[in-house]
Amino acid sequence: DVKVTQSSRYLVKRTGEKVFLECVQDMDHENMFWYRQDPGLGLRLIYFSYDVKMKEKGDIPEGYSVSREKKERFSLILESASTNQTSMYLCASSFPSGAISSYNEQFFGPGTRLTVL
Amino acid sequence: AQSVTQPDIHITVSEGASLELRCNYSYGATPYLFWYVQSPGQGLQLLLKYFSGDTLVQGIKGFEAEFKRSQSSFNLRKPSVHWSDAAEYFCAVGAGDYKLSFGAGTTVTVRA
Repeated sequence: DVKVTQSSRYLVKRTGEKVFLECVQDMDHENMFWYRQDPGLGLRLIYFSYDVKMKEKGDIPEGYSVSREKKERFSLILESASTNQTSMYLCASSFPSGAISSYNEQFFGPGTRLTVL
Repeated sequence: AQSVTQPDIHITVSEGASLELRCNYSYGATPYLFWYVQSPGQGLQLLLKYFSGDTLVQGIKGFEAEFKRSQSSFNLRKPSVHWSDAAEYFCAVGAGDYKLSFGAGTTVTVRA
């Protein structure tokens, strides 16, 4: 089974702190994603990576950056955390586009609930 | 670009009753369609998916969904709900590239 793990389930940080959220997948997936989830808004894509050191902005990248130095690991960075970044953060991974076995299916981690005070 | 609408924000159903969650999508070609479930405090788990072929798709936990191209819908159903089905449900559509577009979700409450 695909396993996507996230470094923390719950995290509390202070305004202005630099925050790192880590995600690791064990299925050799090329694609990895970071979403944030807020009530009534569903999942919104923050950043996407389709290969090591490659990244693309999603729908709401402002205030975030990402790092992918190894295929299995994708990190989300909040350079200076703000209270409006309090949210649930979900990491996902998938096979590359066009792969017969993929058809966009994404596999999700358990999420990190971040509170910024 | 594709998009998804889940018209019902919240549904309450009695245990043992049937459940139907609505999903409408917008996409010009044949979409790839998914239903995910999220239990409280958890990540998303795939319930079922539709790529092609039979328009009635069976999933895990006794769920099924029907793809209706003429109505641009992919509604999720379960004949008899269990208390453990209380969760948030997300419909998603893919266009064959990397991206999935998610609906806003429907929260299901199960009363005894």
